[in-house]
Amino acid sequence: AQSVTQLDSQVPVFEEAPVELRCNYSSSVSVYLFWYVQYPNQGLQLLLKYLSGSTLVKGINGFEAEFNKSQTSFHLRKPSVHISDTAEYFCAVDTNAGKSTFGDGTTLTVKP
Amino acid sequence: DGGITQSPKYLFRKEGQNVTLSCEQNLNHDAMYWYRQDPGQGLRLIYYSQIVNDFQKGDIAEGYSVSREKKESFPLTVTSAQKNPTAFYLCASTEPGQSNYGYTFGSGTRLTVV
Repeated sequence: AQSVTQLDSQVPVFEEAPVELRCNYSSSVSVYLFWYVQYPNQGLQLLLKYLSGSTLVKGINGFEAEFNKSQTSFHLRKPSVHISDTAEYFCAVDTNAGKSTFGDGTTLTVKP
Repeated sequence: DGGITQSPKYLFRKEGQNVTLSCEQNLNHDAMYWYRQDPGQGLRLIYYSQIVNDFQKGDIAEGYSVSREKKESFPLTVTSAQKNPTAFYLCASTEPGQSNYGYTFGSGTRLTVV
């Protein structure tokens, strides 16, 4: 079985500050890892994914994430956030079974 | 443009009534999914289908039913047996296997019991 824990339910930051959203996962087999973003009353949009290879992956909107196998983590980072980054962010894990497990989400609020 | 269309965007259900949520995709994806989203609980898998005419229960299938008669369509019926159906419902699709590129989601249907 696989599981995902997003360590922070809410993260408030000021505009232009850096941010890190934390995600830990549990799985007995190799995994694919994903971050999604959801704006109010909309579906989820894929931000970035780790399938294999380089442990640092870059996504859309200036976000990046680092896969750490020893710590079973996949934290999302952005060096300077904008008001428009205010949204809910979901970490997800898949074991090539085609059935992703999602975390409970982290609400990022960017304040002016 | 390819994508997933969910309809209606808002749906109101009376007690004891069955309702059907539509999900159509033109991405030629084999796998389709239904998730339920409640505040603070993330996404929970209701049903999924990895090929036409086949589907499996997810973690919270009780009170729901699905069909997969066509590759592009995966409708979800919320039956009267679902005692707490008020939620945001999301449909997704992907191509499973070695190249798992993540899910494409629809824009959701918000169901409210009145």
